[in-house]
Amino acid sequence: GDSVTQTEGQVTVSESKSLIINCTYSTTSIAYPNLFWYVRYPGEGLQLLLKVITAGQKGSSRGFEATYNKETTSFHLQKASVQESDSAVYYCALGTLNNNAPRFGAGTKLTVKP
Amino acid sequence: EAAVTQSPRNKVTVTGGNVTLSCRQTNSHNYMYWYRQDTGHGLRLIHYSYGAGNLQIGDVPDGYKATRTTQEDFFLLLELASPSQTSLYFCASSEGRGDTQYFGPGTRLLVL
Repeated sequence: GDSVTQTEGQVTVSESKSLIINCTYSTTSIAYPNLFWYVRYPGEGLQLLLKVITAGQKGSSRGFEATYNKETTSFHLQKASVQESDSAVYYCALGTLNNNAPRFGAGTKLTVKP
Repeated sequence: EAAVTQSPRNKVTVTGGNVTLSCRQTNSHNYMYWYRQDTGHGLRLIHYSYGAGNLQIGDVPDGYKATRTTQEDFFLLLELASPSQTSLYFCASSEGRGDTQYFGPGTRLLVL
């Protein structure tokens, strides 16, 4: 079946420093999957941060970027300069057009220190 | 923007109790999902549906039933709750398969 792997469960970064959260995926789908980053702020549900549906393309939102790399099956999330308000849990996810159910990574809790 | 609401927001029950979690979406999405979120596991899919009367089994269905009564409403039923079902439950909807999911605020369930 399909799967999504996030290797870091928790990340702590100082304000104004750069960030990278790793995400790799695997799928049995013949077609390339849709890839997503969701964010969950404390006390709230998940919300879409960015998505990319075409291999090779980059998505961006709120200063975050992620590039869909089909060769390395990766979709890493990056930000050049984090802010305290970015503290949240980030989930990488995959969706396919075939019968496979959507898949989420385990989530990465980001803490930004002032 | 899609709106997904869940009720109750918090629930405490005892082992063996009967619990129903409710979810409503107001954007006429075809797909609805129930997940549980536990530390270290991320979101795990319990059940999902692609329309009224339809039900698909997810990855962790044991101990859970679900019913999609209308396009808008999707219910998760725990008929004999156990402490292992203590978790944070999220409902979500999407227009199509593989599309962006819109999430509710979550229901925190404690089974004593």
